[in-house]
Amino acid sequence: VQLQESGPGLVNPSETLSLTCTVSGDFRNTDYWSWIRQPPGKGLEWIGYVFYRGTTNYNPSLSRRVAISLDTPRKQFSLTLRSVTAADTAVYFCAAAGNPHYFDFWGQGPLVTVSS
Amino acid sequence: EIVLTQSPATLSLSPGERATLSCRASQGVGGCLAWYQDKPGQAPRLLIYGASNRAGGIPARFTGSGSGTDFTLTISSLEPEDSAVYYCQQCDNWPRTFGQGTKVEIK
Repeated sequence: VQLQESGPGLVNPSETLSLTCTVSGDFRNTDYWSWIRQPPGKGLEWIGYVFYRGTTNYNPSLSRRVAISLDTPRKQFSLTLRSVTAADTAVYFCAAAGNPHYFDFWGQGPLVTVSS
Repeated sequence: EIVLTQSPATLSLSPGERATLSCRASQGVGGCLAWYQDKPGQAPRLLIYGASNRAGGIPARFTGSGSGTDFTLTISSLEPEDSAVYYCQQCDNWPRTFGQGTKVEIK
């Protein structure tokens, strides 16, 4: 399974951050599609996942602002984070797994900067 | 949420030496712990899951151990390509959380 993130590298404060992850390879046994981020100089933070059936699970710290969706025909899943601030500046990774416990496959992760 | 504390922050060793990385959880997570390797410009890689199971394609020099609150990742004989940041992650509770990472430097 290969994952590739895409989206703008710069977002204005108070606006919406949107990223897409495109999946390739054999993902028949991959059911959980996640987003994880890493602010500069800090550790990793799990954002949430979408299950292949469409159900979602989010980190409570972000749940009021985040949405993750799946577009199976296009082999993509997406992250939307509303009302961003400078604290949302981070490298954003998409990840995939066959179970809800671990993250088997990762994208390389683009840096998204929130700044005017 | 469960806090994972990794130590040391940085480990500087020579090729062939043994590296011992620690991850301590703020509450018990059973055996639900993973280790990842993160190199600049690359996608992070799953090394160990279930505290002690090597993921596919991971060399035998990587060994995970521990349960409950104390876990260890051991790299038995360091190779130059093992230079990276290593993270632990718990899967016992939501939200999933990660440690702050241990940077392994090869002299």
